[in-house]
Amino acid sequence: NAGVTQTPKFQVLKTGQSMTLQCAQDMNHEYMSWYRQDPGMGLRLIHYSVGAGITDQGEVPNGYNVSRSTTEDFPLRLLSAAPSQTSVYFCASSFSGGSTDTQYFGPGTRLTVL
Amino acid sequence: LAKTTQPISMDSYEGQEVNITCSHNNIATNDYITWYQQFPSQGPRFIIQGYKTKVTNEVASLFIPADRKSSTLSLPRVSLSDTAVYYCLVGDANTGGFKTIFGAGTRLFVKA
Repeated sequence: NAGVTQTPKFQVLKTGQSMTLQCAQDMNHEYMSWYRQDPGMGLRLIHYSVGAGITDQGEVPNGYNVSRSTTEDFPLRLLSAAPSQTSVYFCASSFSGGSTDTQYFGPGTRLTVL
Repeated sequence: LAKTTQPISMDSYEGQEVNITCSHNNIATNDYITWYQQFPSQGPRFIIQGYKTKVTNEVASLFIPADRKSSTLSLPRVSLSDTAVYYCLVGDANTGGFKTIFGAGTRLFVKA
């Protein structure tokens, strides 16, 4: 099992550009989520999904879109990048999303917006 | 939403026992308490989870009093490699635990 994989590892964008951060898991988990982590801060939930075709907003959803067409993949789209979106982005998955489930995190994508 | 409060940072020396306490006054009846560890430039990883009293695994112990309004993560005989950020989480029962709230965590620095 590869677990949770994320691509790219690093990305530099200019203000206004769009891009998609990729996340995939091979554990057949129903629940997937995206977090951002700013320097010296904790993780903040952006969007989450409880299964294919179902997504919902987290704490900080503005400026980001998600979709979940398959169980395995949960891409995060930045529509028009802004310097405030400079952060490290982590994708995570768990079996069903319940509070007793262990979340498995990917290695992160470090994004810089100039 | 069930939020948590932890100390921002702690220092320790190798070989000492470290106890990190987390407050979660609004914990719901069905919520479990989960602790994660995060090393620099890595995603968090699960350490331990419990509902009440005491849970122990090969890495840590978790102590939860009867009122469940706080919990204490205990790391026995820490080493330099235990330097990390430790997060205490409580599942949001209103959405079935889906909206997991990570606080700022506790930054543990272990010195030689």
